[in-house]
Amino acid sequence: GAVVSQHPSWVICKSGTSVKIECRSLDFQATTMFWYRQFPKQSLMLMATSNEGSKATYEQGVEKDKFLINHASLTLSTLTVTSAHPEDSSFYICSALGQVRYEQYFGPGTRLTVT
Amino acid sequence: AQKVTQAQTEISVVEKEDVTLDCVYETRDTTYYLFWYKQPPSGELVFLIRRNSFDEQNEISGRYSWNFQKSTSSFNFTITASQVVDSAVYFCALSDYTQGGSEKLVFGKGMKLTVNP
Repeated sequence: GAVVSQHPSWVICKSGTSVKIECRSLDFQATTMFWYRQFPKQSLMLMATSNEGSKATYEQGVEKDKFLINHASLTLSTLTVTSAHPEDSSFYICSALGQVRYEQYFGPGTRLTVT
Repeated sequence: AQKVTQAQTEISVVEKEDVTLDCVYETRDTTYYLFWYKQPPSGELVFLIRRNSFDEQNEISGRYSWNFQKSTSSFNFTITASQVVDSAVYFCALSDYTQGGSEKLVFGKGMKLTVNP
């Protein structure tokens, strides 16, 4: 089956620094990738849709200048959390859209802790 | 707007019990897709099923079965003879579109299932 990886799996950073999270589709090309945020004991909230070669589409309420998304190739999308603060601590999950309608392949997630 | 309601937040059962996870949805679309995902403690979402709105047949896969009823806008998930390994958070999801026209999913709040030995 289709495999999506994320790197790093967990990261701790200091407040005010930036963190980059990578999402890769390992055995298929993904023109569309998604970034989700999940707070403890809560559901997945879509942050943005990343399309290869074009600007990401952000969901309402998500700061595009804070969460920079780059989908530079058909197998890689990156999420950069700029000037991270403790409230940005969360579990970030990416997914890639497959060939079957609406079917998303999820990465293992990245746990971000901002101290 | 698309909406998924999982009214149960947590369920605890003893191994070998059957358990049903409820999912009720609201949709503006005549054609739509419904999903169930499992999220074990490790965090990685595991795909369980995808159902097209035109296919109302119930589905069985091993100990898992799904009951799709358009009349009540429900897509319930039953685990028969539950096992400890079934302990996870289960999410029901519904198809939607982003502002840019891309396909996306709307997730319910999830239901935490704990199966005790």
